[in-house]
Amino acid sequence: GAGVSQSPSNKVTEKGKDVELRCDPISGHTALYWYRQSLGQGLEFLIYFQGNSAPDKSGLPSDRFSAERTGGSVSTLTIQRTQQEDSAVYLCASSLAALRYEQYFGPGTRLTVT
Amino acid sequence: GESVGLHLPTLSVQEGDNSIINCAYSNSASDYFIWYKQESGKGPQFIIDIRSNMDKRQGQRVTVLLNKTVKHLSLQIAATQPGDSAVYFCAENISGNQFYFGTGTSLTVIP
Repeated sequence: GAGVSQSPSNKVTEKGKDVELRCDPISGHTALYWYRQSLGQGLEFLIYFQGNSAPDKSGLPSDRFSAERTGGSVSTLTIQRTQQEDSAVYLCASSLAALRYEQYFGPGTRLTVT
Repeated sequence: GESVGLHLPTLSVQEGDNSIINCAYSNSASDYFIWYKQESGKGPQFIIDIRSNMDKRQGQRVTVLLNKTVKHLSLQIAATQPGDSAVYFCAENISGNQFYFGTGTSLTVIP
C-alpha cells in the first residue's frame, strides 16, 4: 500500500521567502508528526497532530513556523520569511494511533535557503 | 531538556559479524524506546521498540537490550549484511507526544 508521501522532495528558496511543505499520511492514520533533521543531526520534533485534538506545537522553533492538517489527513508545514538556518530535511511521519505506535516516515523534503 | 546520545558516531563491521549499536539516555522516567534505521535519502524506518518493563526484546536478526540501571540501550544485529549499512537512531519517549532522538550511528558493513 501507499506509504507517507511528501512534496516537494527538494526545495531551494531565497532567504526571506515563504515555503509550504506538504505531507500525505497513510490513510487511516490519525496521528501525524513533523520533524526537522539538520545535516548530521538527529530528528528534532516540531509539531504533532492527533485526530481533531489541538496540535502540540511545542517543538516549533519560532513563530515563523506553522502547520495545519485539513480534514484529519493532509498536512502542510509553512515557514515564513525563511532564514538560512532553516535549511534542513523536513520529515513527516504518521501512526495509527496516538503515541507508542510505530511511526511511518515519509522520504522528507530537503529545504535549502540561499 | 532531555538528551539521547550515542557512544559511537560510526561503526564498521565485517559482513557476517554481529553489530552492536549503543545509546545512552538521561531521563530515568523514559519508559518507551524505539530504534530506527535510516538509509541515505530516505526517511527513518522503524526497527524495534521496547518498553521499560522489559529488558530484552527480539525481532528478526535484531535484539534490543535495555539497562535501566545505567540508562543504556543497545541494538544488536546478527549476521550483519551489506543492506544493514545505514544510520541507526534511538529515540525515547517520556510522556506526551514528543520523541527525543539521538544523533545517530553510521553503520558500514564491509563485504
